[in-house]
Amino acid sequence: EIVMTQSPATLSVSPGERATLSCRASQTISSNLAWYQQKPGQAPRLLIYGASTRATGIPARFSGSGSGTEFTLTINSLQSEDFALYYCQQYNSWPGTFGQGTKVEIK
Amino acid sequence: EVQLVESGGGLVQPGGSLRLSCAASGFTFSSYAMGWVRQAPGKGLDWVSAISGSGGATFHADSVKGRFTISRDNSKNTLDLQMISLKAEDTAVYYCAKGHRLGGSPYYFEYWGQGTLVTVSS
Repeated sequence: EIVMTQSPATLSVSPGERATLSCRASQTISSNLAWYQQKPGQAPRLLIYGASTRATGIPARFSGSGSGTEFTLTINSLQSEDFALYYCQQYNSWPGTFGQGTKVEIK
Repeated sequence: EVQLVESGGGLVQPGGSLRLSCAASGFTFSSYAMGWVRQAPGKGLDWVSAISGSGGATFHADSVKGRFTISRDNSKNTLDLQMISLKAEDTAVYYCAKGHRLGGSPYYFEYWGQGTLVTVSS
């Protein structure tokens, strides 16, 4: 099973600043990586797939990069609605494991 | 508009059984794989089970293998998760989710339901 490790666990950022989240796979997964956002009491929402392609309706301030084992989610100019939990998921091999999440909180 | 509505959650004793269902609408159900993902209270996302669009291929996490069975009825646009021999560690919100393709290799989930809470406790 591929282990996905996200860092940091918590990221404190001021509104308007940039947030950079990392996700590492225990073995290569090509670009088969997705990012999700989850707000309290809500279901996850797909942000990014294929490591760098934004899902429908996702603002351009969200961007993803990386391939192989190292991936990054960047959120430019953080808005109030962006403070949430973020998860990465690999879908290169079964099971499609998730990272443990990064919480982006207001500094 | 894609809609996924889960039902069937509740309180069950350890060793008991429960069947979750998910009613899907807004897309051609048989053309997409589906899955269940759970989230224990205060914890992260945990991939549970998945099924191809035809229902011919299923996958289960090791933690639930032999206890959970995923199935689908493409004539009714429904996805089910039969859970037996439930343990306290199965306590979680269970989300139904739409895969991004028909099947084959693993998938990411484009849409998620709002979840149904399963509590395993005596």
